[in-house]
Amino acid sequence: KQEVTQIPAALSVPEGENLVLNCSFTDSAIYNLQWFRQDPGKGLTSLLLIQSSQREQTSGRLNASLDKSSGRSTLYIAASQPGDSATYLCAVCLSRLTFGEGTQLTVNP
Amino acid sequence: EAGVAQSPRYKIIEKRQSVAFWCNPISGHATLYWYQQILGQGPKLLIQFQNNGVVDDSQLPKDRFSAERLKGVDSTLKIQPAKLEDSAVYLCASSPRARQGAFSEAFFGQGTRLTVV
Repeated sequence: KQEVTQIPAALSVPEGENLVLNCSFTDSAIYNLQWFRQDPGKGLTSLLLIQSSQREQTSGRLNASLDKSSGRSTLYIAASQPGDSATYLCAVCLSRLTFGEGTQLTVNP
Repeated sequence: EAGVAQSPRYKIIEKRQSVAFWCNPISGHATLYWYQQILGQGPKLLIQFQNNGVVDDSQLPKDRFSAERLKGVDSTLKIQPAKLEDSAVYLCASSPRARQGAFSEAFFGQGTRLTVV
């Protein structure tokens, strides 16, 4: 059974900091990994999708890496802004999308 | 491109009542998912459709939950009768058909927040 763990559960940083969110999974035979953002009371917004054959994906200030062999992915956020405050979820796809519990990020002005 | 549409946005019911949620996926997307997200947790898959066929319903509490996807487009999720522990956000997602052995990016709706009192 695939299990996904996200560390830390919560993170509070001052504006402008670079930060890293971690995601680990137990079954490395995945098709892809997706990072999502969830604002309070809202649905999930897809941020980045990394196929199993890829090592990383970049979108603006976001960079996600994937190391299948070690069962890890990181989401790097550069120059954080208060608008980045949200819960960040990673999900791995094998036969189904399996989510972690999320990291609640607060960026303080 | 229109996103995944869900209704209603909010619903409050008493325990033992029934409730239904509706989802309209992105046009042309073959795969449709229903997830349950309890407060403070990650979403958990309830059921996955490929066109109008069920691919995975292993985590669906079939004694009280049912779902259908008629004509391979819209879908409804029903709970009957509801329990207090069913209070959660119900998320619908869709993805386009992918090549065999692969999965495409999933796009989520805004969700329906259910409160059972």
